[in-house]
Order: sequence, then structure tokens, then C-alpha cells
Amino acid sequence: SAVISQKPSRDICQRGTSLTIQCQVDSQVTMMFWYRQQPGQSLTLIATANQGSEATYESGFVIDKFPISRPNLTFSTLTVSNLSPEDSSIYLCSVDAGVGETQYFGPGTRLLVL
Amino acid sequence: ILNVEQSPQSLHVQEGDSTNFTCSFPSSNFYALHWYRWETAKSPEALFVMTLNGDEKKKGRISATLNTKEGYSYLYIKGSQPEDSATYLCASTGTASKLTFGTGTRLQVTL
Repeated sequence: SAVISQKPSRDICQRGTSLTIQCQVDSQVTMMFWYRQQPGQSLTLIATANQGSEATYESGFVIDKFPISRPNLTFSTLTVSNLSPEDSSIYLCSVDAGVGETQYFGPGTRLLVL
Repeated sequence: ILNVEQSPQSLHVQEGDSTNFTCSFPSSNFYALHWYRWETAKSPEALFVMTLNGDEKKKGRISATLNTKEGYSYLYIKGSQPEDSATYLCASTGTASKLTFGTGTRLQVTL
């Protein structure tokens, strides 16, 4: 298993600003994943972050809006840029134990954009 | 079915009741089906990962079944307790690690 922490746990931001979310894992992992859950919607994958390479973004998500860093095998950040109320969501990072294996999630960052 | 769908959306039961939820998923390009339990302000907790048609898994009072041919999974909770109150998520994966989630079933168990 993996223990994952996220910072901040919640934040309230003004539109037009940016928020950077940190994700720390207690062991080295190859891939880290960033998800978003908008109110009433399902958890949706934003991007996959591999250490040493550019993140791979899912359809509908772009690097300019959601830049990701992956400086080492235990840490990643997701920035949500130019915030609008539609960005109000829970953002989670996760890691997996292998293809098709369990994914372990952080506790999430609850973002409210005013 | 193109997406992962869960029903019901929410459920309110009394302590001691048994209950079950449904997850429907695309049967093509299927690799694994995951069930998670998600309590507010906590990390989603992995319950089961199932891959084979006919799989049945059990963890205490919670069990799950899988039918990959018709693309559905059931999650059962026997003798519900207030601490079972949470949102239960299912997700399917193909041959990559990408999880495609349903919107979840929110369970509330009252005394």
C-alpha cells in the first residue's frame, strides 16, 4: 500500500488566481495520477505524471490550464491556473501498484472559487 | 454502455438492513473492476479489485460479484451499520492504468 498526503486540504480562491496542490507519497512510484471531481460528477482523470517526462493529459484538459510538475519519484504538484467558479472541485492525486491493480488516493483538496 | 454507471444514486437504510448497489461498465476492452469506499474528507479506500468473470470477493460484511460478459458488478453490504455510511465508487480499467469512475452511490445508514 501507499500513504499519500496532499496540501492544502481545502482553499477558497478568487477568480483569475492560481492554486498549486502538492502530493507527497511515502514510497517511490513511477506514475502519479491527478483526478478532479466536480459537484455531482464522477471522478475524472486529468493527467498522468511520470518522473522525468511531460505529463500526459486526458481529452479536455490542457497543460496551460493544469501544469504539472514531477521533480522526483515521491512528489508531484498540480496547478489550476486562471481560476473560474467552474474549477470548484475536489482534486485528488493517486498512485497505483501496477496495471489493473489498486490505486491509492490522497485525501483530496477541496477548492472553492469565488 | 459507453460509460460506467452506478445505481442507485443514493440510498438511505436502517441499521441492520442489507443492501446492494449496481455498477455497469463497458464489457469491451475490460481489464479490471474496482470498488472504493469514500468518506467525506478522507481518501477513497480500496475495497476490491476484480478481473475474472464470476469473481466474488468478500471483506467482512461487504462482498462483490463480477460479470464481465454482460458488464456489471454488484456490491452487497450485510447488516448495515452507521459506519458504513459513505459514497461507494466503482471504476473500470482497460489495459492501461486509467480508472473510469461512475458517479457513485451515496449510502446513509441510520439507527
